Amino acid sequence: EPEVTQTPSHQVTQMGQEVILRCVPISNHLYFYWYRQILGQKVEFLVSFYNNEISEKSEIFDDQFSVERPDGSNFTLKIRSTKLEDSAMYFCASNLAGGTHEQYFGPGTRLTVT
Amino acid sequence: AQKITQTQPGMFVQEKEAVTLDCTYDTSDQSYGLFWYKQPSSGEMIFLIYQGSYDEQNATEGRYSLNFQKARKSANLVISASQLGDSAMYFCAWTGYSSASKIIFGSGTRLSIRP
Repeated sequence: EPEVTQTPSHQVTQMGQEVILRCVPISNHLYFYWYRQILGQKVEFLVSFYNNEISEKSEIFDDQFSVERPDGSNFTLKIRSTKLEDSAMYFCASNLAGGTHEQYFGPGTRLTVT
Repeated sequence: AQKITQTQPGMFVQEKEAVTLDCTYDTSDQSYGLFWYKQPSSGEMIFLIYQGSYDEQNATEGRYSLNFQKARKSANLVISASQLGDSAMYFCAWTGYSSASKIIFGSGTRLSIRP
């Protein structure tokens, strides 16, 4: 069964460093998303992406964040200058047709900022 | 703005019993969808069940069923014959009908199954 993959599974970085989290959505999916989950808290929406542009972003997704689909398979989240409060699990998700179709989640990348 | 409320932070249930996890939502949209996701201790998000706002019948998927009461804006998850492997965090979530619609999650209920 096709699945969303994410790399790395765990990333440790120092405050102020740039990180890139990588995702490979399911191949025929058209809509892509990033969510984050701070330890012990609920999952929060960051950004949605369709047709090579951002569809919607949350208040969390400020100028320090950016997303890119550099080729036909990868979908990346970049944090330019990480802060301690960026420590969280970051989930990538994708779906075929947007709207109320099920979003398939990747296994997540745990980001630890020290 | 849409809001999902899960009022049970934690629940303990005996194995093989049925359990109901509560979820209420607040939206002014006419068309929307409701999900339940399971998050085991390993951290991944596992899709369990989906209910569309115009679906007349309650959704069912194996041991999972969604008790959808539109007028009350509730979407409770019922797990029949609970198993030890059901121990996990459970999130109720809402999404709209617009393209690239985000999912809004509740705060979750931690379910623990006792042998």
